[in-house]
Amino acid sequence: GQQVMQIPQYQHVQEGEDFTTYCNSSTTLSNIQWYKQRPGGHPVFLIQLVKSGEVKKQKRLTFQFGEAKKNSSLHITATQTTDVGTYFCAARSNYQLIWGAGTKLIIKP
Amino acid sequence: DSGVTQTPKHLITATGQRVTLRCSPRSGDLSVYWYQQSLDQGLQFLIQYYNGEERAKGNILERFSAQQFPDLHSELNLSSLELGDSALYFCASSQGGLETQPQHFGDGTRLSIL
Repeated sequence: GQQVMQIPQYQHVQEGEDFTTYCNSSTTLSNIQWYKQRPGGHPVFLIQLVKSGEVKKQKRLTFQFGEAKKNSSLHITATQTTDVGTYFCAARSNYQLIWGAGTKLIIKP
Repeated sequence: DSGVTQTPKHLITATGQRVTLRCSPRSGDLSVYWYQQSLDQGLQFLIQYYNGEERAKGNILERFSAQQFPDLHSELNLSSLELGDSALYFCASSQGGLETQPQHFGDGTRLSIL
């Protein structure tokens, strides 16, 4: 079945550094969603990308959908402690969302 | 507050037992999804219901079953529990049956098997 590979599994950054997580698929995706799960919390919907090459911004977060619609990325500029959590991508396939394994953002003390 | 209500918040039971987890979706949402999340792991999709009918099935064990009632609330039944079933179980809801719509998650039920 379709899989969505998400990397890296963990990323440790100093506060103020940038963070990027990537999702890749071997097949063309019709859309991709991004969610954030804070420690001890539940996933919260961030954004959905639909169009080839689409770029969307939410303050310090930039979301991209690849031209071939096989990959997507989430970039956070100048991380803050409030960004800590696990970021998941999820893509549509046959009436369900296929979830990436998530990237855990850890801010070094 | 996502508007999705899950009960109970915590459940502690023993191997071999059976439990029922309950979910009330956001007002107006017709789809309910169930997920399992083991410690520090990703989300494992179990099953989706749309307006009372099963719509999609993921990696749900035969010991697990679910249903969605006419009032749209849903229950996930877990039987013959094993230690490995200890996990956080999330329910999510969305407006329609389309997987392109955002899912709104409840706070989860933490199940501990002793």
